[in-house]
Order: sequence, then structure tokens, then C-alpha cells
Amino acid sequence: DSGVTQTPKHLITATGQRVTLRCSPRSGDLSVYWYQQSLDQGLQFLIQYYNGEERAKGNILERFSAQQFPDLHSELNLSSLELGDSALYFCASSPVTSGPYNEQFFGPGTRLTVL
Amino acid sequence: QQPVQSPQAVILREGEDAVINCSSSKALYSVHWYRQKHGEAPVFLMILLKGGEQKGHDKISASFNEKKQQSSLYLTASQLSYSGTYFCGTERRAGAGSYQLTFGKGTKLSVIP
Repeated sequence: DSGVTQTPKHLITATGQRVTLRCSPRSGDLSVYWYQQSLDQGLQFLIQYYNGEERAKGNILERFSAQQFPDLHSELNLSSLELGDSALYFCASSPVTSGPYNEQFFGPGTRLTVL
Repeated sequence: QQPVQSPQAVILREGEDAVINCSSSKALYSVHWYRQKHGEAPVFLMILLKGGEQKGHDKISASFNEKKQQSSLYLTASQLSYSGTYFCGTERRAGAGSYQLTFGKGTKLSVIP
């Protein structure tokens, strides 16, 4: 158990809908990262927040957005869902300050299925 | 740019050794290695830093060639518990004060009795 929690574990929805994925980082960790994992693409970095502020952006679609709240939990919002958005979404946290070289602790993931 | 891992998959018998390679076309601050077992989250193994410092696992070793932007993960005397998909992540500066980790597609390792 990494100490990172994600809810829900599974989510099944229809195309065009909007969903929210939730992540609580390990106690004391200020950074939260979101990743999308699909079979053919591996782990794709989406976005990073540090202490409430966006720090880095990866291959995140405009239909997706995220935020980190004052209590440090984070939410990833996915809207106008398409079949291709079906994937495993991981949240990770790290005790990073502002430098590199920090290991990330992954949550159990949310499996999103878009029908 | 996504790092390239090789091989894509490997099957070992218990006790055999394996090497997994990771290469990038960009200058790197560090290389991270993670292992993901089927149906589970990735788990951190180690970080290799510029200058040769290494943080992480004491039973798995790795190297980082900064000039070639390549890293190799060495799994010796493999055990059944080593089975899983190994991801390398290459870390580089993404902006002021931020660093981005980009993962390769993974190498699936299967250890059989």
C-alpha cells in the first residue's frame, strides 16, 4: 500500500459524459501527478500539481482538466468522453519540493470504461 | 520524447539474468525505474542521477550513461517475484522549477520455474 488513495476504482460511463476522478496523496506529499495508461501507449504523463499550483503539463487533452485543493487532494475532470478515453488513470504523489530526482508513489488507479 | 525500451518482452527461468535497456534522444537529469505487476500500480525501484549517484533497490542494479543518454537495468539470479512490466522514466526540465517524467512503453518480464 503506497498511501495514495484513488476513487472510484472502476467507472463505466457513456460517450459524451463527464466524470471526476479523485486522488488523495500520501500524508505530507505536496506534489500530485496524473497519468493515463492504455495498452499500447504505456504510462502517459498528463499533469502535475504542487501545493495547489499547476507545475507541469504533459499530453493532456483540452477536454481534461485537473485541480489540487487546499487539503492537497486532487481531482481530474474528463468531459465529452470518447471511446478512446477508456484507460487506467493513475495518480501519484511525491514529497518533492521543486527539484528533480524524487520517486513517485502511485495509487491503485481508476479504470475508466467509456461505452 | 518517449524513451525507447528494449527488449519489449523477455522470458527467463528462475536464476537467470536479464538486462533491460532504456534510451532517450534528449538530455536527462535522471532515469527512474518502476515495476508494475499485472493489475497493480507501478512501484518505484530506483533513480539514477547525473554524476553516478543511485537511490533505490539493493537487489537490482542499474547503470546510467549520461553521454549516450542510456540506462540499463540488471536483474540477476531472477526470482518468480521479478515478473512484471518494467518501465523506465526519463526526467528532464519542463519549465521553471518543474521536472517531467516521461515513461517508456515498458518491458514485460516473465520468470518461470
